[in-house]
Amino acid sequence: EAQVTQNPRYLITVTGKKLTVTCSQNMNHEYMSWYRQDPGLGLRQIYYSMNVEVTDKGDVPEGYKVSRKEKRNFPLILESPSPNQTSLYFCASIAGGGDTQYFGPGTRLTVL
Amino acid sequence: GEDVEQSLFLSVREGDSSVINCTYTDSSSTYLYWYKQEPGAGLQLLTYIFSNMDMKQDQRLTVLLNKKDKHLSLRIADTQTGDSAIYFCAARDNFNKFYFGSGTKLNVKP
Repeated sequence: EAQVTQNPRYLITVTGKKLTVTCSQNMNHEYMSWYRQDPGLGLRQIYYSMNVEVTDKGDVPEGYKVSRKEKRNFPLILESPSPNQTSLYFCASIAGGGDTQYFGPGTRLTVL
Repeated sequence: GEDVEQSLFLSVREGDSSVINCTYTDSSSTYLYWYKQEPGAGLQLLTYIFSNMDMKQDQRLTVLLNKKDKHLSLRIADTQTGDSAIYFCAARDNFNKFYFGSGTKLNVKP
């Protein structure tokens, strides 16, 4: 089944403790992206990647890192999480030249 | 960056048509999308329109694009209670960055 998977689905952590949220897609898509969703703000793009070893900043990249060493994986790294990064995070992917963005199920992160 | 705006709420009766509106600011946006999000779920692509089109129809869904006014609308015919959800408008720019509106919560009353 074609899908985008994220792990973990739920995470509660404390300020300053480094964490990684993994994202993987099995559709051989070139484009992958991370978003955060906050009430009243919709989704805001954090980082995106057009292909392996190519990453670009979205609208809200501060406090986040990403890497794209393999086509299928696009982890989101929070080196020193802060409470204002408490949010619902979505990973997504698109086939090269495609128009349909497939979303993962979301990761709800709480930073205390 | 681009601004995408939507009204926050819409309430309709079952069987009526729903029209959800969206405005965007970047005239070079290539694709414009409508997504649906049900409670506790991810985003589901409903439909999209390429920027050189004016209209697209897909079963109960009709998308209208007014490029001059940078206005996008989604019409849902014969709205059902199962259509109750949050609907997001999104624009994709020339650099493949995505910009989402804040979402319109559609409430369908029986």
